[in-house]
Amino acid sequence: KQEVTQIPAALSVPEGENLVLNCSFTDSAIYNLQWFRQDPGKGLTSLLLIQSSQREQTSGRLNASLDKSSGRSTLYIAASQPGDSATYLCAANTGANSKLTFGKGITLSVRP
Amino acid sequence: SAVISQKPSRDICQRGTSLTIQCQVDSQVTMMFWYRQQPGQSLTLIATANQGSEATYESGFVIDKFPISRPNLTFSTLTVSNMSPEDSSIYLCSVDEVRNEQFFGPGTRLTVL
Repeated sequence: KQEVTQIPAALSVPEGENLVLNCSFTDSAIYNLQWFRQDPGKGLTSLLLIQSSQREQTSGRLNASLDKSSGRSTLYIAASQPGDSATYLCAANTGANSKLTFGKGITLSVRP
Repeated sequence: SAVISQKPSRDICQRGTSLTIQCQVDSQVTMMFWYRQQPGQSLTLIATANQGSEATYESGFVIDKFPISRPNLTFSTLTVSNMSPEDSSIYLCSVDEVRNEQFFGPGTRLTVL
């Protein structure tokens, strides 16, 4: 059974800092891994999707990496802004009917 | 990406009643999913809804409690039956698109008194 872990549960940083959010998964036989952003009381916004054959994906100030052999993914946020404050979730797709297994998320607060 | 809407956006219901949540997609999709997010928790998959077949439920979720309809390729409903306060959650639908990337609706925030 796939398990996804995100540590720490919360993170507070000053504006402008570069930061890394970690995600680990137990079963390396994943189809892809997806990072989402969730604002309080809202739905999920897809940030980046990394296929199992890829090592990283970039979108603007965001860069996500994937290391299947070690069961880890990271989300790098460059030059953080207060508007980046949200909960960030990673989800592993095992490929079996596209079922996503989510981590509990990291709540990020960027202080002005 | 697909544009997904959900109705209602939020509701407050009495114990023992049922609520049907609608999910509408602006394009035809094969697979739709229903998730639950309990307060302070992450998302848990309830079931997968495919058009033309019965929904597939995850362990711990049963059809009598969460009946699902999928009448066509752009629409699905999830009913939360005989509600109790433990059903208070955000319910989200999602769709699977090209490259198996999933996109989510805005969610329905349910409070059961």
